[in-house]
Amino acid sequence: EVQLVESGGGLVHPGGSLRLSCAASGFTFSRYYMSWVRQAPGKGLEWVANMDQDGNEKHYVDSVKGRFIISRDNAKNSLYLQMNSLRAEDAAVYYCTRVFDYNSRDHWGQGTLVTVSS
Amino acid sequence: SYGLTQPPSVSVSPGQTASITCSGDPLEDNYASWYLQKPGQSPLLVIYEDSKRPSGIPGRFSGSSSGDTVTLTISGTQAVDEADYYCQTWDSDNVVFGGGTKLTVL
Repeated sequence: EVQLVESGGGLVHPGGSLRLSCAASGFTFSRYYMSWVRQAPGKGLEWVANMDQDGNEKHYVDSVKGRFIISRDNAKNSLYLQMNSLRAEDAAVYYCTRVFDYNSRDHWGQGTLVTVSS
Repeated sequence: SYGLTQPPSVSVSPGQTASITCSGDPLEDNYASWYLQKPGQSPLLVIYEDSKRPSGIPGRFSGSSSGDTVTLTISGTQAVDEADYYCQTWDSDNVVFGGGTKLTVL
């Protein structure tokens, strides 16, 4: 069974940093693109970042470019999101997702909540 | 801009057919996916590549595409189908979601 388990969320002050982790199991992690998607409270889904299987190709939504870094460790079956210079508008539930055929997301974690407040 | 436009809400009676549309330029060239999300839960993929259903998704869910518009159709809608529905595609290196449609079954 495919499982994605996020961790690392919490309360952070504006301008602070946080590192999210996603532990993957039940599939060959190194064979898949992975992605982060977020959802602000009461709002819709917003794609944050994608990464290819080897970590050579990374893409970000414009609003996080230069502040967030997606990375992975295939030996540990883990995906990460380093979030720096956090802003109030970054507050959201962050989901780790597996990327399936043609950019669909066939598995999602339970999400981890990031709160940005002074 | 490469946004995807969905109606904010759709209502349907139990047993009837619900249709949710999603429009945007990237859909002319790229496949769409559809997700449903129930309160307090993670999104669930229900349609990919415009019209394919993942295993475990009931046959009453179907998808179609025409030009810059894709449509999610739920035939014989049930109360359990009440949820928020999101379309998604990509444009160059960017992934984009629609704003979401709240499906009410009443």
